[in-house]
Amino acid sequence: GAVVSQHPSWVICKSGTSVKIECRSLDFQATTMFWYRQFPKQSLMLMATSNEGSKATYEQGVEKDKFLINHASLTLSTLTVTSAHPEDSSFYICSADRTYEQYFGPGTRLTVT
Amino acid sequence: GESVGLHLPTLSVQEGDNSIINCAYSNSASDYFIWYKQESGKGPQFIIDIRSNMDKRQGQRVTVLLNKTVKHLSLQIAATQPGDSAVYFCAENNRGSQGNLIFGKGTKLSVKP
Repeated sequence: GAVVSQHPSWVICKSGTSVKIECRSLDFQATTMFWYRQFPKQSLMLMATSNEGSKATYEQGVEKDKFLINHASLTLSTLTVTSAHPEDSSFYICSADRTYEQYFGPGTRLTVT
Repeated sequence: GESVGLHLPTLSVQEGDNSIINCAYSNSASDYFIWYKQESGKGPQFIIDIRSNMDKRQGQRVTVLLNKTVKHLSLQIAATQPGDSAVYFCAENNRGSQGNLIFGKGTKLSVKP
């Protein structure tokens, strides 16, 4: 149990375009999901906390207008990278909270050309 | 604290030996700690956790030790196998607050056959 999926697993987009990443909890409901970003050989950095039915809480330094988060249901949160630039290329990982334990998705590799 | 760095510390061990991976955490108010294993291109995988009211917890082939006095956490892997090769992260959590995970820098474990 406690499986979290992400889609797509990898995506290549052109600079200036927008990309949407989905995070789904497959066998449980999650009122809270988290979005992390991980650059090569670095640790996971929390970007934002996504709460079902309310606005996301962004960490300091993360632009909310650039990284749009929508948590429209108890099993789905989406992260949209708007007007992507090469510096946004990274590994994006989501996690879903179930009884205060986080279960991680497999990650999405974003490459902006 | 923040986890920023271009080079991960690396631990190289011989197959069959025991491995010890160390982590210093930052927040004395953290009351829950988790070790994750991350293989290349994948999301973090839960290994073992420990609460602050304990100083040792054992799992299958793994043991976590917690020293709150010096804010130090360690992961011991017995009889290390090639499949254990991965990056290992510790994470701390303050359940009394929002409960966001703060990840440590990570250690790359390489197991030589």
